[in-house]
Amino acid sequence: QSVLTQPPSVSAAPGQKVTISCSGSSSNIGNNYVSWYQQLPGTAPKLLIYDNNKRPSGIPDRFSGSKSGTSATLGITGLQTGDEADYYCGTWDSSLSAGHVFGTGTKVTVL
Amino acid sequence: QVQLVQSGAEVKKPGASVKVSCKASGYTFTSYGISWVRQAPGQGLEWMGWISAYNGNTNYAQKLQGRVTMTTDTSTSTAYMELRSLRSDDTAVYYCARGRPGIPHDYWGQGTLVTVSS
Repeated sequence: QSVLTQPPSVSAAPGQKVTISCSGSSSNIGNNYVSWYQQLPGTAPKLLIYDNNKRPSGIPDRFSGSKSGTSATLGITGLQTGDEADYYCGTWDSSLSAGHVFGTGTKVTVL
Repeated sequence: QVQLVQSGAEVKKPGASVKVSCKASGYTFTSYGISWVRQAPGQGLEWMGWISAYNGNTNYAQKLQGRVTMTTDTSTSTAYMELRSLRSDDTAVYYCARGRPGIPHDYWGQGTLVTVSS
């Protein structure tokens, strides 16, 4: 069971902006870095954002991340049809033997 | 370039076991660990556990304790995940991903479909 809560879906027209929230607790988001993963249909997840707001090489600056307290946010600007995918937040959890946790996932639809 | 290549799809009967492999290349295997993540059909990502490729230490998700074993073979840079007493709700795509506590899962395998059906 996911302990990080995300909205099930968000949508916007091409060129617009969407934001995806990820809500956790002090044992996970509150005290650890947050990552975001993009999963295109039928493919493995891909790292999109790490350490709350850093982008791996090759990820366009249309994607951004932020964190405040026990919540994190992924932003996508200049929305493109190729951005239609599922997005997951993730972080390590500091509670006893909790390991790593993922968010519930958000489906982004480009209208 | 970093690559994680997983073994092929499996079909198992309820009560059986499955062992999935994940061969790493393009980096120093023992400098990282491997997480295993599964995704049931139409569902989200579920972290199953993590193994250190350096010393074999493991951390398993509580719900899988007693049914899952993760191992590594440093001579071949390969990680393994064995799941026992399979049930129909274990049907999922199983992924391996490079990482360790405090750092993100930056590279992922292509996934292995495990189907549990009588």
